[in-house]
Amino acid sequence: SQTIHQWPATLVQPVGSPLSLECTVEGTSNPNLYWYRQAAGRGLQLLFYSVGIGQISSEVPQNLSASRPQDWQFILSSKKLLLSDSGFYLCAWSVGHTNYGYTFGSGTRLTVV
Amino acid sequence: RKEVEQDPGPFNVPEGATVAFNCTYSNSASQSFFWYRQDCRKEPKLLMSVYSSGNEDGRFTAQLNRASQYISLLIRDSKLSDSATYLCVVGGGGGFKTIFGAGTRLFVKA
Repeated sequence: SQTIHQWPATLVQPVGSPLSLECTVEGTSNPNLYWYRQAAGRGLQLLFYSVGIGQISSEVPQNLSASRPQDWQFILSSKKLLLSDSGFYLCAWSVGHTNYGYTFGSGTRLTVV
Repeated sequence: RKEVEQDPGPFNVPEGATVAFNCTYSNSASQSFFWYRQDCRKEPKLLMSVYSSGNEDGRFTAQLNRASQYISLLIRDSKLSDSATYLCVVGGGGGFKTIFGAGTRLFVKA
């Protein structure tokens, strides 16, 4: 069966510090991978998606970046965090585009202080 | 107009009540539709897909009206454990992007 892992679960980082969140998927090949952010009390905002190794599409201009070094690995990074980067970060995978729904990782709750 | 709009909520209902959530979407080319459930401080989880003919899963019934670009979720005989936020999700429409509604919060009380 397919599983998705995301870590860490919680993170408190000072403004201006770097960020690296990792997401891995097991049990499937060539998944579509996604990074979403959910601010407190708000909907999910798509940040990046990837359809294959090295292929990244950015949806929202910001100080974040994403990389997919392996088929099963998706990394969200920042060189310098802002207060506005606080939120709940969710990684998800899907088969194909959207017709089968998404499966989310357990999320990382990031607080920038 | 937002791409996916949901009832603002929150909905406060007693156990055993029937509650309905509505959702409208703006992209007429959308091809896939879902309802997700999100518990507090947890990740969203797929509740059910929504098919053109309507579909039912136990106490949950989903309907799709393509002409009106409208999706609904009906929960019968509400349980305390149904308390959560319900997200309307619309996908396809010529791109990879799947749009999540902001969600409707449901509180079921004893």
